[in-house]
Amino acid sequence: AQSVTQPDIHITVSEGASLELRCNYSYGATPYLFWYVQSPGQGLQLLLKYFSGDTLVQGIKGFEAEFKRSQSSFNLRKPSVHWSDAAEYFCAVGPPLSGGFKTIFGAGTRLFVKA
Amino acid sequence: DAGVIQSPRHEVTEMGQEVTLRCKPISGHNSLFWYRQTMMRGLELLIYFNNNVPIDDSGMPEDRFSAKMPNASFSTLKIQPSEPRDSAVYFCASSDRDKEETQYFGPGTRLLVL
Repeated sequence: AQSVTQPDIHITVSEGASLELRCNYSYGATPYLFWYVQSPGQGLQLLLKYFSGDTLVQGIKGFEAEFKRSQSSFNLRKPSVHWSDAAEYFCAVGPPLSGGFKTIFGAGTRLFVKA
Repeated sequence: DAGVIQSPRHEVTEMGQEVTLRCKPISGHNSLFWYRQTMMRGLELLIYFNNNVPIDDSGMPEDRFSAKMPNASFSTLKIQPSEPRDSAVYFCASSDRDKEETQYFGPGTRLLVL
C-alpha cells in the first residue's frame, strides 16, 4: 500500500541554521511528490512539488527538495531558517495522472525556531 | 482567483445539533476534498469528489457524517447529530486532476461541539 513517512514529529533549529526535514514514501512507481506548510491557524499551502525531470526542486520561501529514487526519499531543505518558518510541514504523495489512489499526506513535522 | 472559500470560519454548537460546513472550490477545478485535522489523528481525508461524484468516502467516520456536491462550485459537509469528539478543524481542498495533483486548501472551519 502507498504510504508516506515523516520520521520526525518535531524539530528545533536555531535561526540562521540550516534545515532538513525527512520524507520517505512507499509506492511502486515514481509518484508525484509534494511539500506543504501549515502556519498556525491557517490552511495548508504548497511549498513545492516534483513530477519529473530535475530531481532538485526549488520552491517558495527559499525551500528546496531533492528526490532520490534509490532511497524513496523527498527531503525538504533550507540553507538558513528564519523565525517565520516556524510551522508544520507535510510531505504528500499523489498518483501519476493514470494512477488510482488518492493523495496521501504524512503525519507532519512541526518546526520550532529558536532565537 | 479567490482561492478555496470555506464558511463558516468558526462554529460553536451544542451536542446533538446539526452542523453544516460549506465549501466553494477554485473555479475550473474538478476534484474536491474534505479533510479533518485534530491533534490526536492529524490530517484525515474524509471524502473526495471528482466531477461532482463521490469517489471515495471510506474516511467518513460514521453515518452521522454526510457530504454533497450538487454542482461544480459548491459542496457541503453535514454532521447530524454532532458530538464533542467531532471538534476539529475541517478543511476543504480542490484540484484539477486533468492537469496536476496539487491540492489548494481553504482556510478551514474550526468546529467546537460542547
